[in-house]
Amino acid sequence: DSGVTQTPKHLITATGQRVTLRCSPRSGDLSVYWYQQSLDQGLQFLIQYYNGEERAKGNILERFSAQQFPDLHSELNLSSLELGDSALYFCASSVVGDSYGSYNEQFFGPGTRLTVL
Amino acid sequence: EDQVTQSPEALRLQEGESSSLNCSYTVSGLRGLFWYRQDPGKGPEFLFTLYSAGEEKEKERLKATLTKKESFLHITAPKPEDSATYLCAVQRNQGGKLIFGQGTELSVKP
Repeated sequence: DSGVTQTPKHLITATGQRVTLRCSPRSGDLSVYWYQQSLDQGLQFLIQYYNGEERAKGNILERFSAQQFPDLHSELNLSSLELGDSALYFCASSVVGDSYGSYNEQFFGPGTRLTVL
Repeated sequence: EDQVTQSPEALRLQEGESSSLNCSYTVSGLRGLFWYRQDPGKGPEFLFTLYSAGEEKEKERLKATLTKKESFLHITAPKPEDSATYLCAVQRNQGGKLIFGQGTELSVKP
C-alpha cells in the first residue's frame, strides 16, 4: 500500500458526460501528479500540482482540468468524454517534486479505471 | 526530445533462470532514473531510484544499475511472484514529471 488513495476504482459513463476523479496523497506529500495509462500510449503525464498551485502541464486535453485543495487532495475533471478517453488514470504524490529536493520518488495510487461507452 | 525505450517488450523465464531487462534513455539533463513494478490493473510500485552513472541498488532478487545511456534491471533466480510489468522512467533536472518507457512484461514459470 503506497499510502495514496484514489476514488472511485471504476467509472463507467457515456460519451459527452463529465466525471470527477479524486486523489488523496500520502501524508506529508505536497506534490500531486496525474497520469493516464492506455494500451497504446503507455503511462503519460497529464498535470502536476504543488501545494495547491499548478506546477507543470503535459499533453493534457483542454477538456480536462484539475485542482489541488488546501488539504492537498486533488481532483481531475474530465468533460465532454469521448471513447478514446477510456483508460486507467493514476495519481501519484511525492514530498517535494522539484529539483531542489532530494525526495523525488513518486508513489502511485491504485488508479481509477474509466470506461466511456 | 526525451525518450525512454525498454527491451525486450516481453520476457518469459523459467523459475531460477536469471536475466536482465534494459532501459535506454535520451534526456536533456538527467535528474534520476526510476524503476517501477506494475501488476495488472494496479498502480506502479516504486522499486529504485538511480541518480548517477555507476550507481547500483539492490532489493531481494533485483539489482538495478545505471550508465550514461542506459539502465539494467537484473533479476537473479526469479520466482513466479516476480511476474509483472517492469517500468523504467526518467526525470529531468527540473524535476516534476516522469517520462516512462513502454515496459517489459516478465513472466516466470514454475
